[in-house]
Amino acid sequence: EAGVAQSPRYKIIEKRQSVAFWCNPISGHATLYWYQQILGQGPKLLIQFQNNGVVDDSQLPKDRFSAERLKGVDSTLKIQPAKLEDSAVYLCASSTNARQGRGSTEAFFGQGTRLTVV
Amino acid sequence: GDSVTQMEGPVTLSEEAFLTINCTYTATGYPSLFWYVQYPGEGLQLLLKATKADDKGSNKGFEATYRKETTSFHLEKGSVQVSDSAVYFCALSDRAGGFKTIFGAGTRLFVKA
Repeated sequence: EAGVAQSPRYKIIEKRQSVAFWCNPISGHATLYWYQQILGQGPKLLIQFQNNGVVDDSQLPKDRFSAERLKGVDSTLKIQPAKLEDSAVYLCASSTNARQGRGSTEAFFGQGTRLTVV
Repeated sequence: GDSVTQMEGPVTLSEEAFLTINCTYTATGYPSLFWYVQYPGEGLQLLLKATKADDKGSNKGFEATYRKETTSFHLEKGSVQVSDSAVYFCALSDRAGGFKTIFGAGTRLFVKA
């Protein structure tokens, strides 16, 4: 079974530029997450999708971050304009349908995109 | 809201030493509990999980028991190897929280030969 695919693996941009990350979840997984992992910290949820609808975006800095999952499959996360403090690893994860989940609903993670803002 | 607290690192051990990484949680519901591992240069991998009280998750010699009375899920291994050097994250997922996974800050483990 193919895992969660993310691209690019690395990105270096200057502050005030824009950047986009792409994620393709595991086939059949209805729930998709974007996390931000700053060096030395645990991943922090940015946004959670259920199919193509947003379930939780309470931690997403909406003045500069946006995300979409138009067809309920792959997703893009955009930052515009980037700030120095956005330097982090951006992780995409997916899980089976959380709303119907019983018991464990473990998330499967991609390799992440390491963003450096200079 | 839900949260996870784990012991700060780094933890440095000699090969074959006993490992314990403490983890406690706060949750409004009845969460599932996880340990994820992140090896250098790699993504997050699920190490083990437990979905109800007194369940013991185990994998690759690591174990953790879901203790509802103490809201804990401590990670243990009887004899660590150099290849266990990584960052370990305790996490929970809760229906009341929309099933999003909430992570602790991570504990870096160094194992010396």
